[in-house]
Amino acid sequence: EAGVTQFPSHSVIEKGQTVTLRCDPISGHDNLYWYRRVMGKEIKFLLHFVKESKQDESGMPNNRFLAERTGGTYSTLKVQPAELEDSGVYFCASSRQGYTEAFFGQGTRLTVV
Amino acid sequence: KQEVTQIPAALSVPEGENLVLNCSFTDSAIYNLQWFRQDPGKGLTSLLLIQSSQREQTSGRLNASLDKSSGRSTLYIAASQPGDSATYLCAVISGYALNFGKGTSLLVTP
Repeated sequence: EAGVTQFPSHSVIEKGQTVTLRCDPISGHDNLYWYRRVMGKEIKFLLHFVKESKQDESGMPNNRFLAERTGGTYSTLKVQPAELEDSGVYFCASSRQGYTEAFFGQGTRLTVV
Repeated sequence: KQEVTQIPAALSVPEGENLVLNCSFTDSAIYNLQWFRQDPGKGLTSLLLIQSSQREQTSGRLNASLDKSSGRSTLYIAASQPGDSATYLCAVISGYALNFGKGTSLLVTP
């Protein structure tokens, strides 16, 4: 069984540009999450999908961040326009229904210069 | 608001030692607690999941305990090996989101 896969693994963009991160969850996992770790801080929740529906996006920093989950399968997280403080590692995780074990991808390291 | 604290922040031990990593949380109304391992530049690997109704879980040389009422969990690693060197993260689930501590950076020296 394939794990959670994230693309790209690294991205360096200039301030003001747009970046789109992609996450492919484990097949059959209804729950999909985005988290972020900025330098020196703990990993923080961004948002949660159940299938294609956003259940909780209380952790999204501002309206420059837009997440979608197409047909309840893969998800994208777009940052437009990117700012310096958006730099960090973005993790995607998935789990089965309910409060079950979460499995994480390897993360996307985003650097905004 | 759930706050998760991990002590110590860093730990260095010689190979073969048994060790304990600590995790505390402020809100005891949790569903689960999950321990992860992160190697440099890698993602998070799930080690153990403890349901709120459970007291402990074991996997190989790892044993995690949970005391909900006092808001504490410990991860016990027996007979440590250099391959155990990594950052260990504790996360509690209250709601659907995981709330993470900052982690304990473990170095096991040969």
